[in-house]
Amino acid sequence: KQEVTQIPAALSVPEGENLVLNCSFTDSAIYNLQWFRQDPGKGLTSLLLIQSSQREQTSGRLNASLDKSSGRSTLYIAASQPGDSATYLCAVRRNRGSNYKLTFGKGTLLTVNP
Amino acid sequence: NAGVMQNPRHLVRRRGQEARLRCSPMKGHSHVYWYRQLPEEGLKFMVYLQKENIIDESGMPKERFSAEFPKEGPSILRIQQVVRGDSAAYFCASSPPGERAAFFGQGTRLTVV
Repeated sequence: KQEVTQIPAALSVPEGENLVLNCSFTDSAIYNLQWFRQDPGKGLTSLLLIQSSQREQTSGRLNASLDKSSGRSTLYIAASQPGDSATYLCAVRRNRGSNYKLTFGKGTLLTVNP
Repeated sequence: NAGVMQNPRHLVRRRGQEARLRCSPMKGHSHVYWYRQLPEEGLKFMVYLQKENIIDESGMPKERFSAEFPKEGPSILRIQQVVRGDSAAYFCASSPPGERAAFFGQGTRLTVV
C-alpha cells in the first residue's frame, strides 16, 4: 500500500528566504508525482507534475525534483513571498491509463512572514 | 470553461440526515473522482466514476456512502444517516478520457451537528 509522507508538517520563514519542502513515498512504482497548493477553504491548484521518467520540473520560482528509486521528491521555492503562504500537498499516481487515482501526503503548512 | 463546479460549498446536516454533494465536471471530461479530507488528514481517494459506471470504489466506506455519475447531470456523492465523523471537506476532480491530468473543484465542506 502506497504511503506518502511530507516533512515538515509546518514551516514558517521570513519573506525572501529560499526553502525546501520534502515528500517521500513507500512504493517507487509510480507513474507520476504532483505538487499542489491548497489555500484555506479552497480547492487544489496543481503546481508541478513530474513524470516517473523525469528528474525535475520548473515553473517560475518553483522547482520540483524526483528521485524515484529512493522514493523522494522535493519542492524548492526561491525568494519566498507572503503570497506563497498555503498548504503544499504532494501526491503520487500509480496507475497508467485513465484511472487518475492519487495518493496524497498530509501536506506542509507554509507561512511566509512579511 | 468554468472548471469543476461543486455545490453546495458548505453543508450542515444533523446526525441521521442525508447529505447530497454534487459535482459538475469540466466540459469534455467524462471521468470523475471523489476525495475526502478529514481534519488533520490528507486527502483520501473514495471513488472513480465514468458516465453511468463505477470504475473504482476501493476508498468508499462500505455502508451509508454511494456515488453515481448519470448520463445526464452532475455526479452525486450521497451519504445516508450522517454521523459526526463524516464532517470533512469532500473534493471532486474530473479528467478527460486518456492519460490526462485531473482538475479539482473547490470542495464541499460538510459539517454534521
